[in-house]
Amino acid sequence: KQEVTQIPAALSVPEGENLVLNCSFTDSAIYNLQWFRQDPGKGLTSLLLIQSSQREQTSGRLNASLDKSSGRSTLYIAASQPGDSATYLCAVTQGNALNFGKGTSLLVTP
Amino acid sequence: GAVVSQHPSRVICKSGTSVKIECRSLDFQATTMFWYRQFPKQSLMLMATSNEGSKATYEQGVEKDKFLINHASLTLSTLTVTSAHPEDSSFYICSAGVANEKLFFGSGTQLSVL
Repeated sequence: KQEVTQIPAALSVPEGENLVLNCSFTDSAIYNLQWFRQDPGKGLTSLLLIQSSQREQTSGRLNASLDKSSGRSTLYIAASQPGDSATYLCAVTQGNALNFGKGTSLLVTP
Repeated sequence: GAVVSQHPSRVICKSGTSVKIECRSLDFQATTMFWYRQFPKQSLMLMATSNEGSKATYEQGVEKDKFLINHASLTLSTLTVTSAHPEDSSFYICSAGVANEKLFFGSGTQLSVL
């Protein structure tokens, strides 16, 4: 059974810092990995999707990497802003369904 | 990008009543829709997979008679929570996609059962 773990569970940083969120998964037979953002009481916003054959994806200040063989992914956020404050979830796709981690709650202070 | 509309966004109901949540793909046809549930500070948990025109596949531990799923068309799936109880209070999210493509998520429904 696939297990997805995210570390840290919570993170607080001052504005402007670069930061890294970690995601690990136990079964490397994944189709792809996605990073999502979730604001309180809201749905999910897909940030980046990395296919299993890819190593990384970039979008603006976000960069996600994937090392499928070791079961790890990182989400790098450059020059963090207060608007980045949210919960970040990673999820791996097996078949048609996603297995989610519990998320990292990020707070960026002005 | 593709849009998935989920309605209602918030519902409060009395214990014992039934609640229906709709999930619509607005600009694409979704062969598969998924329903997730999220308790506070927990990860999203898959409840069931819904394929158009066939019965939904439920995850272990999810009561199919309590959580009725209907996927009558390629753009609409509904989740009905029957005889709701306070422990059913949760955040429900649907997602839609076309086999192994990127999934798109609804905005979620916060259900509170009194």
